Amino acid sequence: DTAVSQTPKYLVTQMGNDKSIKCEQNLGHDTMYWYKQDSKKFLKIMFSYNNKELIINETVPNRFSPKSPDKAHLNLHINSLELGDSAVYFCASSKGTGADTQYFGPGTRLTVL
Amino acid sequence: GEDVEQSLFLSVREGDSSVINCTYTDSSSTYLYWYKQEPGAGLQLLTYIFSNMDMKQDQRLTVLLNKKDKHLSLRIADTQTGDSAIYFCAESQPLNTDKLIFGTGTRLQVFP
Repeated sequence: DTAVSQTPKYLVTQMGNDKSIKCEQNLGHDTMYWYKQDSKKFLKIMFSYNNKELIINETVPNRFSPKSPDKAHLNLHINSLELGDSAVYFCASSKGTGADTQYFGPGTRLTVL
Repeated sequence: GEDVEQSLFLSVREGDSSVINCTYTDSSSTYLYWYKQEPGAGLQLLTYIFSNMDMKQDQRLTVLLNKKDKHLSLRIADTQTGDSAIYFCAESQPLNTDKLIFGTGTRLQVFP
């Protein structure tokens, strides 16, 4: 009965590859997010979707493309992976927009070799 | 600006109180949050405070907000070894309250 789940938990891949990370929430929330946490533990928002529509799109290379097939899922596809993409990626969800509490997934540790 | 700053490390003895501090720059932030990240795990919301409040208490946790100084603190009473983790403060943006700006994180180590 995990609230926000991500797969895979660990991802190791070569530079130049394309990979996807999946996120699902069973909380019935309308808004989902992707965050990147770098090696120094700094957390920055990347994207947010509300009812499958893109709301926040921070300064992220266009190699990163989020996709929301439905309200419960927000996947992150990354093309042409680079060394600097190595990080932990967190998915989160909240009931609505505004100051609703965001609930985080366990994170996906991406290592690009 | 969007800087939220925290001290990087805090070490306390089990049973003592811990105080983790955070300073933020946007005085019009609406909500301020404290998250806990245990090793290898995701972020867990601990508590939050609305910007028109000065204090919020929740069991062993006390949040103090000084809007004038843009200073937020989290006090953990009777700190336990299980409290060892990284603690992040975060502020929501007034014009885009979906967006949380996170602090740099404070690593709390509790020793017996």
